[in-house]
Amino acid sequence: ETGVTQTPRHLVMGMTNKKSLKCEQHLGHNAMYWYKQSAKKPLELMFVYNFKEQTENNSVPSRFSPECPNSSHLFLHLHTLQPEDSALYLCASSQEKTGQETQYFGPGTRLLVL
Amino acid sequence: AQSVTQPDIHITVSEGASLELRCNYSYGATPYLFWYVQSPGQGLQLLLKYFSGDTLVQGIKGFEAEFKRSQSSFNLRKPSVHWSDAAEYFCAVGAWAGANNLFFGTGTRLTVIP
Repeated sequence: ETGVTQTPRHLVMGMTNKKSLKCEQHLGHNAMYWYKQSAKKPLELMFVYNFKEQTENNSVPSRFSPECPNSSHLFLHLHTLQPEDSALYLCASSQEKTGQETQYFGPGTRLLVL
Repeated sequence: AQSVTQPDIHITVSEGASLELRCNYSYGATPYLFWYVQSPGQGLQLLLKYFSGDTLVQGIKGFEAEFKRSQSSFNLRKPSVHWSDAAEYFCAVGAWAGANNLFFGTGTRLTVIP
């Protein structure tokens, strides 16, 4: 099993739908992240979880709701999204010991909101 | 505030030619610097990183990067490009002390022509 996996890889949803993105890391890490990657923009950090506790929320709209039930799994629950939320959503993990450790990324979920 | 600039949006090189991708950062303290590569439809893969020590760091796939504090740069180089190197390359700067945050540039797309 590869280090960080994400499902689904592709998702098309209407603005009234509710869906969830799943991320799983098999690296024994204790921190997990959600990023949004839009065309021609830098990666945007959305959420950070350290030891299952949310430590960062970069002014993300409430229509995105993260959940981290344990240190290996991270979810992003989506509801009433807008077309501008269409993007590649990347999950990453790291082992936080000294404050800055390398983040390892999953393949992403390509989301299209119609 | 931290920021990363990748001045070249798109670079085209011939196979076998040398490559240099530019990265400039803005950060008030000692930065932690990373280069990631993203192939189409894939997540980000770490190429190399600089935390401290030797300013010339070696990475995977024959890449290297040099940290130049005086120029606030961390340029990525490869002496001979292969067709499989065609991808998007991202430079990122991280902060110390558990901030977990990486700040990414907008990326440079590399095209390799035969």
